[in-house]
Amino acid sequence: DAGVIQSPRHEVTEMGQEVTLRCKPISGHNSLFWYRQTMMRGLELLIYFNNNVPIDDSGMPEDRFSAKMPNASFSTLKIQPSEPRDSAVYFCASSRTGPPDEQYFGPGTRLTVT
Amino acid sequence: AQSVSQHNHHVILSEAASLELGCNYSYGGTVNLFWYVQYPGQHLQLLLKYFSGDPLVKGIKGFEAEFIKSKFSFNLRKPSVQWSDTAEYFCAVNARGGYQKVTFGTGTKLQVIP
Repeated sequence: DAGVIQSPRHEVTEMGQEVTLRCKPISGHNSLFWYRQTMMRGLELLIYFNNNVPIDDSGMPEDRFSAKMPNASFSTLKIQPSEPRDSAVYFCASSRTGPPDEQYFGPGTRLTVT
Repeated sequence: AQSVSQHNHHVILSEAASLELGCNYSYGGTVNLFWYVQYPGQHLQLLLKYFSGDPLVKGIKGFEAEFIKSKFSFNLRKPSVQWSDTAEYFCAVNARGGYQKVTFGTGTKLQVIP
């Protein structure tokens, strides 16, 4: 099993640009999570999907952030327009059946917005 | 809504020292509790979890955690740390029932000095 796959691993962009982060969950897992990690706030849940349906998006910071899961094997997190305060590591995780089942994390995408 | 506090942000120990990392949660109902670990260069992974039953939970690599309901705590312990335990440790809580998300603490960085 390849585990959770995220791309890109690193992204550097200028303020105002659109950023798209991608995630492929583990095959057979029906829940997918997007997290953001910063020094100040630690690991925050942004949104989670169950069977491709968004269940809890209360952590999405504002309208600049959007997430989609068009099918069971792919999800995107988009930031438009990006701002320097969005600089963080973004993790995707998946689990077989949703909380409280064990979550398997991807390697993360380190985003830097200048 | 549930929340998690990890009071120690950075801990430095010598090899063979005993470890205890504090974790307190805030939630009035029944919870599931977790410790996740991120070793340098690796993905976040589950260390141990408590759902019900014996409040003393044993995990991988000699770690254990004790759920003390009256104190809303779930501290992580290891009697003798090794250099390979150097990592960042995250406590997490999930309120039982329905599609309740997992809320993570801000993490504790453990550095073990040989």
